[in-house]
Amino acid sequence: GDSVTQMEGPVTLSEEAFLTINCTYTATGYPSLFWYVQYPGEGLQLLLKATKADDKGSNKGFEATYRKETTSFHLEKGSVQVSDSAVYFCALSDRRNTGGFKTIFGAGTRLFVKA
Amino acid sequence: DTGVSQDPRHKITKRGQNVTFRCDPISEHNRLYWYRQTLGQGPEFLTYFQNEAQLEKSRLLSDRFSAERPKGSFSTLEIQRTEQGDSAMYLCASSLGNTDTQYFGPGTRLTVL
Repeated sequence: GDSVTQMEGPVTLSEEAFLTINCTYTATGYPSLFWYVQYPGEGLQLLLKATKADDKGSNKGFEATYRKETTSFHLEKGSVQVSDSAVYFCALSDRRNTGGFKTIFGAGTRLFVKA
Repeated sequence: DTGVSQDPRHKITKRGQNVTFRCDPISEHNRLYWYRQTLGQGPEFLTYFQNEAQLEKSRLLSDRFSAERPKGSFSTLEIQRTEQGDSAMYLCASSLGNTDTQYFGPGTRLTVL
């Protein structure tokens, strides 16, 4: 079945450092790809999305490009802030025969940013 | 747009007790999903509704679990005879129309003692 694999954490960076969190996927169809962020004590927030090959999703300085040839969707940010400390989840949408979508998540990568 | 809300946010119960959680989706969202998230893992799909119809249930949803969405608006998830392995965060999400983007609530954290 479809699956998502992302790099293990935690990732610890200093403020203003460059961030990359790797994500690869396995899918039989052409799913949309997502990055969600979960801040301490809160639910999941959609960070960005890409719907087809070569699409770039971007939001709040984060970006990720849908790479079909390498089945990857790596998250990047040029300069992280302490407030970016959170758990980041890579995910894909799996269209069901019943018409809805099941979101399949990676295990998450915890990011710590030090001042 | 007030977002997806869930109640309660935290629930502590003793093994063998029944618990019920509530989810209120974003207004007019026709699809509603339930996920379970254990510590250190990503959420896993449990079930989903389109309007009031429950269209799919995961194998993770044992017969002790039941979910309803009686009027196509809010939903409830009940766990009967809770076990320690049921301890997790239960997340609800909703979506509009035929889109694949789901909006998540803050979750209900269940602890079974």
